[in-house]
Amino acid sequence: AQKVTQAQTEISVVEKEDVTLDCVYETRDTTYYLFWYKQPPSGELVFLIRRNSFDEQNEISGRYSWNFQKSTSSFNFTITASQVVDSAVYFCALSGPYNNNDMRFGAGTRLTVKP
Amino acid sequence: EAGVTQFPSHSVIEKGQTVTLRCDPISGHDNLYWYRRVMGKEIKFLLHFVKESKQDESGMPNNRFLAERTGGTYSTLKVQPAELEDSGVYFCASSADWRSYNEQFFGPGTRLTVL
Repeated sequence: AQKVTQAQTEISVVEKEDVTLDCVYETRDTTYYLFWYKQPPSGELVFLIRRNSFDEQNEISGRYSWNFQKSTSSFNFTITASQVVDSAVYFCALSGPYNNNDMRFGAGTRLTVKP
Repeated sequence: EAGVTQFPSHSVIEKGQTVTLRCDPISGHDNLYWYRRVMGKEIKFLLHFVKESKQDESGMPNNRFLAERTGGTYSTLKVQPAELEDSGVYFCASSADWRSYNEQFFGPGTRLTVL
C-alpha cells in the first residue's frame, strides 16, 4: 500500500528564516514518483516539483530545495530565507509506476511566514 | 492559456439536498480527475476520466456521488442526497497524459459545506 505522511500539521516562522517541510512515504513499488504541490490562499494546487525514484540527486530552484533520500523514504522540502508569500499549505504526493490516478497525498503542512 | 476552473467556488447546502459541481479542464487534456479533501486530512482520489470514459472510479465513496463528462470536455460531480460527511473541498485536475510522471494541473477547488 502507498502512504504519504506529513507529520507537521502547521509551522510558523519569521521572515528570512529557513524552514524544512518533512515528507515520509511508504511504497512497495521500485519505480515511483514524488511530487510537491503548493496551495496558496487562492486555493489551487500549484505544482512545484516531480522526482522519480531512480534520481536521488537533490534539486535546488531559487530559494527552494528538495532532499530525496531513499534510505529513509523521505522527500523533504526546504525553503531558504522564507518570505511572507511562501505562506501556504504544502502537499507531498506519491504516484506509482504506471498511471497517475493512484496518486496519494499527505495531509499537508500549513506554513505561515510572519513579517 | 486558462488553467483548470471549477464552479462554484463555495456551496452551502442542507442535508438531503442535491449539489452539482463543475470542472473545466485545460483545453486538450483528455485526462480529468476528481479529488476530495475532508476536514484538513489528505487529498483523496475519487475518479479518473479519459475523455468521456470513466477509467477508474474506485475512490467514489458511495452511490450518492455521480460524475459525468459528456463529450469529453467539462465534467460534473453530483452529490444526491448530500450528507454531513460530504463536506470538504473538491478538487479537479487535468493532465495531457495518464502516465505517472505527468503533472496534474489542479483547479482552485469547490468548498462544499453540508449543514
